[in-house]
Amino acid sequence: DTEVTQTPKHLVMGMTNKKSLKCEQHMGHRAMYWYKQKAKKPPELMFVYSYEKLSINESVPSRFSPECPNSSLLNLHLHALQPEDSALYLCASSQVPASTNEKLFFGSGTQLSVL
Amino acid sequence: RKEVEQDPGPFNVPEGATVAFNCTYSNSASQSFFWYRQDCRKEPKLLMSVYSSGNEDGRFTAQLNRASQYISLLIRDSKLSDSATYLCVDHYYSSASKIIFGSGTRLSIRP
Repeated sequence: DTEVTQTPKHLVMGMTNKKSLKCEQHMGHRAMYWYKQKAKKPPELMFVYSYEKLSINESVPSRFSPECPNSSLLNLHLHALQPEDSALYLCASSQVPASTNEKLFFGSGTQLSVL
Repeated sequence: RKEVEQDPGPFNVPEGATVAFNCTYSNSASQSFFWYRQDCRKEPKLLMSVYSSGNEDGRFTAQLNRASQYISLLIRDSKLSDSATYLCVDHYYSSASKIIFGSGTRLSIRP
């Protein structure tokens, strides 16, 4: 069982909706990540939070807005998405940011469909 | 050139066979590497780290060749449960830490 919990597991939303994806870990990890994965493609990095501060934004459109309220929680706020944003959104955490042994632990993901 | 490249496969091998696949990386400053495995409709899970001296974990052996900038994964005595996509991961640090996934190699073990 994964120790990174993501909710919801599935989400269907219209292009005018506002929704949020949530991620939680209680392993004391200080780096948290959002990845996007399309079918038969590898995960693509979106955002990295290091010690609760945004350290990497991979030129993600502003309709995706990350938030890290504390060291255990990571949110991804969604607004005015497009159908091509439909994908599996994976949250991950790692123990120590910017270390050479930065092993990722993934949540089971949120399967998002934008209609 | 992609930062991390893998043969997408699929590799289709019989149970009990030995199978190996490689991954090449373009960033000579990359610091560490990992193999992850991803089952269909599941999240990636860490399989093993890759060290310059080589790393063995049961039936799995990972190697790193910095001179040629590739890593490899060898699976011996393959099991049906080894069927999955194997993702090569490159970690490097410049102004910030970045973890990049290769496109994955699909492995299918047949009875």
